[in-house]
Amino acid sequence: DARVTQTPRHKVTEMGQEVTMRCQPILGHNTVFWYRQTMMQGLELLAYFRNRAPLDDSGMPKDRFSAEMPDATLATLKIQPSEPRDSAVYFCASGEGQALGEQFFGPGTRLTVL
Amino acid sequence: SQQGEEDPQALSIQEGENATMNCSYKTSINNLQWYRQNSGRGLVHLILIRSNEREKHSGRLRVTLDTSKKSSSLLITASRAADTASYFCATDGAGTYKYIFGTGTRLKVLA
Repeated sequence: DARVTQTPRHKVTEMGQEVTMRCQPILGHNTVFWYRQTMMQGLELLAYFRNRAPLDDSGMPKDRFSAEMPDATLATLKIQPSEPRDSAVYFCASGEGQALGEQFFGPGTRLTVL
Repeated sequence: SQQGEEDPQALSIQEGENATMNCSYKTSINNLQWYRQNSGRGLVHLILIRSNEREKHSGRLRVTLDTSKKSSSLLITASRAADTASYFCATDGAGTYKYIFGTGTRLKVLA
């Protein structure tokens, strides 16, 4: 059955290291979202793509975060350099159609930056 | 910010009882959605209600929307232990293209 996949599921790294998280949206979905979830801030929208074009990345710290969609089957979120405050669960979600509707979430990447 | 605020933050009930969660938001919306998140998992969509709808049902779920009060409620009837999860509302802003998620209600259903 169709689902959003994310890799890796868990990542432990040291401060200053580069982290790349990957997401495979559901085939045929044309919208992709990146979220970050922490106990303190809840679920925050980091970036939003439609038809592979970035429409909004205002939620991302621009100096260290970047999000791309090299093709329709892959979305990446990169942090360079990583900091302890980036520790969180990062979710990718995809959806279809022009109008906003249901988002299908991946299982998340749990990132720990030491 | 148009972030939804869920109330209560946590709720503990016995199996078979009904659970009601509320969501309040700040600006006008096109749609409001409810999601469930089991521990350690991603969010799962439950139901979407449009701004011109007042009530919607899906199985044991009943969602109401009062745009004049900028609030919505999610009712789970005849709760089961498997309903134990966090529940989030998500609102879009009229004229925007993205959803903002609320802070969530942690529901615990005791067997």
